[in-house]
Amino acid sequence: DTGVSQDPRHKITKRGQNVTFRCDPISEHNRLYWYRQTLGQGPEFLTYFQNEAQLEKSRLLSDRFSAERPKGSFSTLEIQRTEQGDSAMYLCASSLGWEQGANYGYTFGSGTRLTVV
Amino acid sequence: QKEVEQNSGPLSVPEGAIASLNCTYSDRGSQSFFWYRQYSGKSPELIMSIYSNGDKEDGRFTAQLNKASQYVSLLIRDSQPSDSATYLCAVNMGYSTLTFGKGTMLLVSP
Repeated sequence: DTGVSQDPRHKITKRGQNVTFRCDPISEHNRLYWYRQTLGQGPEFLTYFQNEAQLEKSRLLSDRFSAERPKGSFSTLEIQRTEQGDSAMYLCASSLGWEQGANYGYTFGSGTRLTVV
Repeated sequence: QKEVEQNSGPLSVPEGAIASLNCTYSDRGSQSFFWYRQYSGKSPELIMSIYSNGDKEDGRFTAQLNKASQYVSLLIRDSQPSDSATYLCAVNMGYSTLTFGKGTMLLVSP
């Protein structure tokens, strides 16, 4: 399977606990994105990597959220001291880069559904 | 704030009809536009991209772009019950990332 892989698919955690999610992008894609989606809303941008460099982070993103892509391949998203408001689907996507003035669309993974109780 | 607006729906059409989904965006400098389909409980799936004014056809899908009006639409011909899903409009409003609308739910009745 050469798609975007996310693990775990589901995570239930108690409020205050830390959680970490993993994303493995399509191997030839140098861009990796994290989005969050709640019911009835579109995906909301969290952060973005080009290779191992984190180039952009949403201003709405709490300091409790951190992401890494240490070798430019897989990425992790960690949420510290989880709150009930963090309950959402966390989506990872990857893409090829900019070419000829046009941006490629993303390929999304299946997502990690987080429930904070 | 840069925004992408969609009617949340649901848009209900009978099987075999044409479904028309619309999207407006706030950034006049936007260059790339995408339509994603999302089934309930699943992740978004890219179905169409469009970069130039006019129409782009792919099978039963046609994307239409009017940059002057900051408007992009998706037409689905011969709608099938399997087309029932939420359709997300996504716009590249800068160099790096996509901004998504809230999506329009489409219901195709047999």
